[in-house]
Amino acid sequence: EIVLTQSPATLSLSPGERATLSCRASQSVSSFLAWYQQKPGQAPRLLIYDASNRAAGIPAKFRGSGSGTDFTLTISSLEPEDFAVYYCQQRSNWPLTFGGGTMVEIK
Amino acid sequence: QVQLQESGPGLVKPSGTLSLTCAVSGGSISSSNWWSWVRQPPGKGLEWIGEIYHSGSTNYNPSLQSRVTISVDKSKNQFSLKLSSVTAADTAVYYCAKVLRTAGRENAFDIWGQGTMVTVSS
Repeated sequence: EIVLTQSPATLSLSPGERATLSCRASQSVSSFLAWYQQKPGQAPRLLIYDASNRAAGIPAKFRGSGSGTDFTLTISSLEPEDFAVYYCQQRSNWPLTFGGGTMVEIK
Repeated sequence: QVQLQESGPGLVKPSGTLSLTCAVSGGSISSSNWWSWVRQPPGKGLEWIGEIYHSGSTNYNPSLQSRVTISVDKSKNQFSLKLSSVTAADTAVYYCAKVLRTAGRENAFDIWGQGTMVTVSS
C-alpha cells in the first residue's frame, strides 16, 4: 500500500498570504496524484488531478506540481473561503489511498 | 451534470450489516465511469472502500475486502454498498463518488455525494 504523508499537519496563515502544502508518497505514483479541499460538514471537492491539472471550475490560484514521490499544492493568495482541510490522493496503485490532510487555518 | 445521493439507515447494530445506496441522476451509471465508496470517521481522514463498473467489475480495499460487497443496479441507475460484521470502528460518514476518466484511464473522484452518517451502536 502506498502511504501518502502530508505536511504540515496544520498551517496557520493570514488572508492574502501564500500557502504551500506538501504530499510525499512512500513510492513513486508518477503523476497520478489528486488534491481535494474539504470544509466542515461538506464532501471533499476535487481541485487538482494528474498532479497539476485543475479540475473544472477551479480558479488559477490553486496550483499543483510535482511527480514521482514529492508533490506540492500552492494557493497563491488565501481568501477566507480557502481556509479548510486539504487532502492528497493517489491512483497509481490499489488500494487507492489518501494523505492524512493539512488544515489551513486563519492565523 | 451528474449528481449523487446516498441513502440508508443511520444506525446499525454491532455485528450487523451496513447497507447504503447511491442514486445517480443527471447521467447514466452505464457510462464509461467507475463509481466508488469512500468513508470518513468523525474527525479523521478519508478511506477508500472500493469501486464498481457498470459491468459489475469491482476493486476493493484489501483492509475491508472480506466484509465488503459493492453492486450495481442499472435499471435503477444506482449502486450499493454492503459492509458486514460492523463494529464501532465502522462509524463514519460514507460518501459515494464518481471516478473521473481522462485520456482513457481512471483518475480522481470528481463528483461526490453529500455523504451520510452511519453510527454503529446497540
